[in-house]
Amino acid sequence: DTAVSQTPKYLVTQMGNDKSIKCEQNLGHDTMYWYKQDSKKFLKIMFSYNNKELIINETVPNRFSPKSPDKAHLNLHINSLELGDSAVYFCASSPSEGGGIYEQYFGPGTRLTVT
Amino acid sequence: AQSVAQPEDQVNVAEGNPLTVKCTYSVSGNPYLFWYVQYPNRGLQFLLKYITGDNLVKGSYGFEAEFNKSQTSFHLKKPSALVSDSALYFCAVSRTSGNTPLVFGKGTRLSVIA
Repeated sequence: DTAVSQTPKYLVTQMGNDKSIKCEQNLGHDTMYWYKQDSKKFLKIMFSYNNKELIINETVPNRFSPKSPDKAHLNLHINSLELGDSAVYFCASSPSEGGGIYEQYFGPGTRLTVT
Repeated sequence: AQSVAQPEDQVNVAEGNPLTVKCTYSVSGNPYLFWYVQYPNRGLQFLLKYITGDNLVKGSYGFEAEFNKSQTSFHLKKPSALVSDSALYFCAVSRTSGNTPLVFGKGTRLSVIA
């Protein structure tokens, strides 16, 4: 069973298009994240959700709109795609009960290429 | 602001030799430190974490890390490297207590040569 899954795995599209990436976790976690990994492999947080509510938005352009229909899903919609959006996008999840420090579980990533 | 630094872009080691991947951190407050590994075209896999307690933390696949408060370091180690350990390794720090996003270092590519 895949703990954190993302679809699609690869996404090739043209500038100006709108696309979505889906993420689902079956771990029962209530916190989910989107990270972006650029061409130099640098990883940076984009968004964090807890129980379907946005808790962190790291100065991401408003062309990026996350949506969490329930705590097992966190989707990422991107409007008006730009060349600079080309990257690998990782979804992750973690529990949060008791205020403990938990590791995050990552999905396999979605490689977005904007041409 | 929390940050981690991985001073080496690349580490090469012969199979069977010990390996060390370096990480230093800068945090305000208690450091919550993590190591992750990324194999080609894969997501990140958790190796180990330091929250509190023993300075030597043991993790997956025979890896361990030593927390050194005076040197603000959290180096990843393994006594005997395997070719299959070749991957990209990330050190990360959690900003505060609770489940806040991780701040990652730039990664260190480990190559284990047979």
